[in-house]
This record gives sequence, structure tokens and C-alpha cells, in this order.
Amino acid sequence: DTEVTQTPKHLVMGMTNKKSLKCEQHMGHRAMYWYKQKAKKPPELMFVYSYEKLSINESVPSRFSPECPNSSLLNLHLHALQPEDSALYLCASSQQLAGSSYEQYFGPGTRLTVT
Amino acid sequence: AQSVTQLGSHVSVSEGALVLLRCNYSSSVPPYLFWYVQYPNQGLQLLLKYTTGATLVKGINGFEAEFKKSETSFHLTKPSAHMSDAAEYFCAVILTDTGRRALTFGSGTRLQVQP
Repeated sequence: DTEVTQTPKHLVMGMTNKKSLKCEQHMGHRAMYWYKQKAKKPPELMFVYSYEKLSINESVPSRFSPECPNSSLLNLHLHALQPEDSALYLCASSQQLAGSSYEQYFGPGTRLTVT
Repeated sequence: AQSVTQLGSHVSVSEGALVLLRCNYSSSVPPYLFWYVQYPNQGLQLLLKYTTGATLVKGINGFEAEFKKSETSFHLTKPSAHMSDAAEYFCAVILTDTGRRALTFGSGTRLQVQP
């Protein structure tokens, strides 16, 4: 099973709402990632967790708050977002923090629209 | 400085024709190299990767890529295009001369396949 699942598939939220994105994998991977992808652009790294600890934070605004409650789950909590935050949010996982053989497996993404 | 450059944001080929998507990297030390494919409204799927060893790498769906250190290139090819190959293709690197263990993506190439 090489599947990374993400819920919800689509999310529409107002600028004052609080919502969460969820990502799950059952491959025993110990590194998990959040990417943001705007239309017609490549994915941009947001956060990396390694062994449930935050390893990389790409200077993401505090209105995005990641959480890794266990080795299989990764959440992204959203609060007071701006319309420019509308994008496809991709989750990925790898066996360990990306290395020579540790390719990343991506989920299908959550399409977020901020109104 | 751009770590990975994809030449050609759009490539159009006829069904059955050769597919060539170009990727060049800039690094003093050969990075780990990956090609991903993204179909509309989906996540990314790994096509192939190069880390060490044989420089000609075969991937899924009939794609292959050759690592050429002298040209700092990792171009993706497929002998005969199929309509189902129409998608966005991303070249990505992990820079091994830094402590950063995360993918950096090129800008992407949209492949169109004409009947």
C-alpha cells in the first residue's frame, strides 16, 4: 500500500473561519510534508516533520499551523486565511527525511478556496 | 540561484512521436534527481529517480531519463507518446551538498499529445 490520503478533497472557508486539513499514511513512513501549489506553478514546500518533530518550516505565516500527532497523521490547521492562500495543498510522506532512496509519495491534495 | 530548470513550459507532440522533456540542474555536487507527473486535479506521481549507479534510469509508463554530469542534465524521454501521457511534468532535485533534505521542483512542463 503506497497510498497517502487527504481529507477533505475540497474546502471553502471564509477569512474568519478555522478549519483543518488532514493527511494519513500507513506505510510506516517517518517523514511527512506539506506543500502548497498555486495554479500552473510547482509545489512549494511549507513544512517537514521527521519522527513527529518539526524539521523544516519554510517561513510560513502563523495562520498555518502544522501538527503531527503520531507517525501516521499530519494535520494543517488554518485560521484567518487570506484569499491569496487559495491553492492545492499537498501532503507527502517518505520513509525517512528525503535521502538517496527515500522518494516522496504524494496524496491527491485538498483544493482550498478562501472567500 | 535556480537549482533546477525545465526548458519549455509547454511541449506538444503527436501521438506515437518521441517525447523529450528537458531538465538541467545547477549544483557543484550531483544532486538526487526525480521526475514527477501530475494529472489534472491530482497529486504527484513519481516516474523515476536517479541517486547513484547506472545513469540511464527506467521508470513507469515507458519513460526513462539519463543523468549526464558533464551537461548537468536529466532529460526525460519516451519513444512513443500516448494520449494518456498528457499531463504536467516536474523535474525535482535534492541538493546533496546542503543539509536541506527536501525536494526543490522545476517550474514544470505541460505535455500535450495531439491525435
